[in-house]
Amino acid sequence: GNSVTQMEGPVTLSEEAFLTINCTYTATGYPSLFWYVQYPGEGLQLLLKATKADDKGSNKGFEATYRKETTSFHLEKGSVQVSDSAVYFCALSSGYKLSFGAGTTVTVRA
Amino acid sequence: NAGVTQTPKFQVLKTGQSMTLQCAQDMNHNSMYWYRQDPGMGLRLIYYSASEGTTDKGEVPNGYNVSRLNKREFSLRLESAAPSQTSVYFCASRQTSGRGTGELFFGEGSRLTVL
Repeated sequence: GNSVTQMEGPVTLSEEAFLTINCTYTATGYPSLFWYVQYPGEGLQLLLKATKADDKGSNKGFEATYRKETTSFHLEKGSVQVSDSAVYFCALSSGYKLSFGAGTTVTVRA
Repeated sequence: NAGVTQTPKFQVLKTGQSMTLQCAQDMNHNSMYWYRQDPGMGLRLIYYSASEGTTDKGEVPNGYNVSRLNKREFSLRLESAAPSQTSVYFCASRQTSGRGTGELFFGEGSRLTVL
């Protein structure tokens, strides 16, 4: 079945550092890929998405490119801020089901 | 705009008690979902409803039942709660077709503790 594997955390960074969170997937067909973010005490909200191979999703300085050849959808941000501290989830959707990775906790220190 | 509303936000149960988590969305979405979130496990799908009148099992359906009451409402029932069901539960909805490109909108979560 479909599954998502993402980099284990926690990740601790200094402000203005570069962030990468790796995400790889297993799926049949052509899934859609998502990154969701969960700020402390809140529900999840969409950060970005890509619905076909080679698409790049971007939002709030974050980017991820749908790489079918490597079955990956890595999340990157060039210069993180303290406000980016959160849990990040990679997710895959094929049909009506949407499956999530285990989540990566990111802490950014001033 | 309320989005996805879950009730209750907090609940403490004793082992063997029953309860129902309520969820309603006002975005006219066709699909609704129940997930549970546990430390280190991410979100795991319990049940989903692709459209009004249909429900299907997700990854971890044992011990739960659901009802898609109408297009807006999707409830999750624990018939006989167990400590292993202590978790944070999220309801979500989206407009989706067979391709699954739609964004999920989440409620704020319901924290359930089973003693």
